[in-house]
Amino acid sequence: EPEVTQTPSHQVTQMGQEVILRCVPISNHLYFYWYRQILGQKVEFLVSFYNNEISEKSEIFDDQFSVERPDGSNFTLKIRSTKLEDSAMYFCASSLDREGFREQYFGPGTRLTVT
Amino acid sequence: AQSVTQLGSHVSVSEGALVLLRCNYSSSVPPYLFWYVQYPNQGLQLLLKYTSAATLVKGINGFEAEFKKSETSFHLTKPSAHMSDAAEYFCAVIALYNFNKFYFGSGTKLNVKP
Repeated sequence: EPEVTQTPSHQVTQMGQEVILRCVPISNHLYFYWYRQILGQKVEFLVSFYNNEISEKSEIFDDQFSVERPDGSNFTLKIRSTKLEDSAMYFCASSLDREGFREQYFGPGTRLTVT
Repeated sequence: AQSVTQLGSHVSVSEGALVLLRCNYSSSVPPYLFWYVQYPNQGLQLLLKYTSAATLVKGINGFEAEFKKSETSFHLTKPSAHMSDAAEYFCAVIALYNFNKFYFGSGTKLNVKP
């Protein structure tokens, strides 16, 4: 069964450093998403991406964040200068079409720890 | 605006007992509602979804949920818990006008005792 994969599973970084979280969505999917979950809190939407551009972003997704689909398979989330409060689990998801209610497939997550 | 509230961050049941995980939603437009499950070190897996068809929705692994508009609820149930059901469960909502993003609850960790 096709699945979304994410690397690394755990990333530790120092405050102020740049991190790139990587995702490989399901190959025929067209819509891509990032969510995050701060420990003990809700899973929050960050951004959705389609046709090589951001289609929607939340207020969390400020100028420190960027997304990219550098090739035909990877979808990345970059945090330019990490803060302590960026520590969270980051989930990537993909869906076949815009009607994501059909199903968004989620990856296992990357746990980011900023020290 | 859309949101969901999951009552109880931790629920513990005995094997064979009824599982009831609570979810209440808030939505200014008709919602689509979902339950996802996350097993340790795995991604979020769709259990079931309500998309304005039947109000009683059956999902995988014997789970079901009932959409009750009058109570703004979408509680998840399973008649008989199995050890393999131990996981974290997330309720989520999508607004009909915006399929682009989910609003998740804070999750409920289900523990199943032998």
